[in-house]
Amino acid sequence: DTGVSQDPRHKITKRGQNVTFRCDPISEHNRLYWYRQTLGQGPEFLTYFQNEAQLEKSRLLSDRFSAERPKGSFSTLEIQRTEQGDSAMYLCASSPGQDNEKLFFGSGTQLSVL
Amino acid sequence: QKEVEQDPGPLSVPEGAIVSLNCTYSNSAFQYFMWYRQYSRKGPELLMYTYSSGNKEDGRFTAQVDKSSKYISLFIRDSQPSDSATYLCAQREAQKLVFGQGTRLTINP
Repeated sequence: DTGVSQDPRHKITKRGQNVTFRCDPISEHNRLYWYRQTLGQGPEFLTYFQNEAQLEKSRLLSDRFSAERPKGSFSTLEIQRTEQGDSAMYLCASSPGQDNEKLFFGSGTQLSVL
Repeated sequence: QKEVEQDPGPLSVPEGAIVSLNCTYSNSAFQYFMWYRQYSRKGPELLMYTYSSGNKEDGRFTAQVDKSSKYISLFIRDSQPSDSATYLCAQREAQKLVFGQGTRLTINP
């Protein structure tokens, strides 16, 4: 499978715990995006990387959230001190960079904070 | 007011019907629009994208943008049960996509 891969698919955690998600983009895609989607809503932009540089962050991304893409390949999204309001589907997407409207999404990580 | 508004439905139609899905947008500065399809427990997949006004056709799907009314539409002809999914419209704003709420569509055999 050469699509965008996300791990884990599901994560259940207790409030206050830290969680980390991983995204492996399509090989050679320069741009990588994180979005968050809650039930019955469309995805909301969180942040994006051009290679290893994080170029934009949404105001939705509070100080408890951090994302990295250390070698310009895979990316991680960490949430510290999780809150119940963090429960959502976290989607990763990648694009070749030139036609960045053509985003290829992974299947997401479903986070449930109890 | 959300930047991209979409009727969440749900919308249920019989197989073979023509489906019309619609969105409105408020920011006229950006003129790339997309339609994504999302099956349950999957990520969105790109169906079509259009620039500025006009129509774009791909098989049974037609995307339409009306700049004067800030209206974007997706038409599905000869709808199939496999078209049952949530359809998301999106507007590209610089380096991000702004999505509508999504319309849940069911095609009944």
